[in-house]
Amino acid sequence: GEDVEQSLFLSVREGDSSVINCTYTDSSSTYLYWYKQEPGAGLQLLTYIFSNMDMKQDQRLTVLLNKKDKHLSLRIADTQTGDSAIYFCAESIVYSGYALNFGKGTSLLVTP
Amino acid sequence: DTEVTQTPKHLVMGMTNKKSLKCEQHMGHRAMYWYKQKAKKPPELMFVYSYEKLSINESVPSRFSPECPNSSLLNLHLHALQPEDSALYLCASSQDLRSGANVLTFGAGSRLTVL
Repeated sequence: GEDVEQSLFLSVREGDSSVINCTYTDSSSTYLYWYKQEPGAGLQLLTYIFSNMDMKQDQRLTVLLNKKDKHLSLRIADTQTGDSAIYFCAESIVYSGYALNFGKGTSLLVTP
Repeated sequence: DTEVTQTPKHLVMGMTNKKSLKCEQHMGHRAMYWYKQKAKKPPELMFVYSYEKLSINESVPSRFSPECPNSSLLNLHLHALQPEDSALYLCASSQDLRSGANVLTFGAGSRLTVL
């Protein structure tokens, strides 16, 4: 699939907010997703948002969607050291049977 | 059961070997996927099965051969691989292929090293 862009690295202090950004490619994507991958593990779904929404909040997570600019962001409030991981945004690709096309991933490092 | 189980967790094989990766889910999902993930890269789609039929093949070389024996199992048969095929192979499943939220549940992966 085409490239879904993300900033590659983010470092924050424990207790601060983290904001991870993503620019996706397929304007027909009806759902957009955020996954988390810890070292040596598979991917874990964090949240997803319907393209008709511009915001979704789920406990410490806030997703913002700007469909006009094809920009998606994930805000993690009160970031903890256990949040250190790689975060992938993903879009459903219609021509791949709605399988997910992943961004390059943002490596989040949370320091004490 | 809300898990996707992959075996083996680690596999080392020579270029002339034949081996298989296995994936199992008991969530009643009817879509299953193989993704390949190289170090520090995103997962790349390889194959999609829908209702036990191959739906998508993302131009994967024939040395990778998928098989879906039943709705709970997905195999990836490996033969005559190259060192550049070394990667983490991720299996995933979802309820079915749909235009709504297609939430994939991933296994922990099988880490393959080809010598």
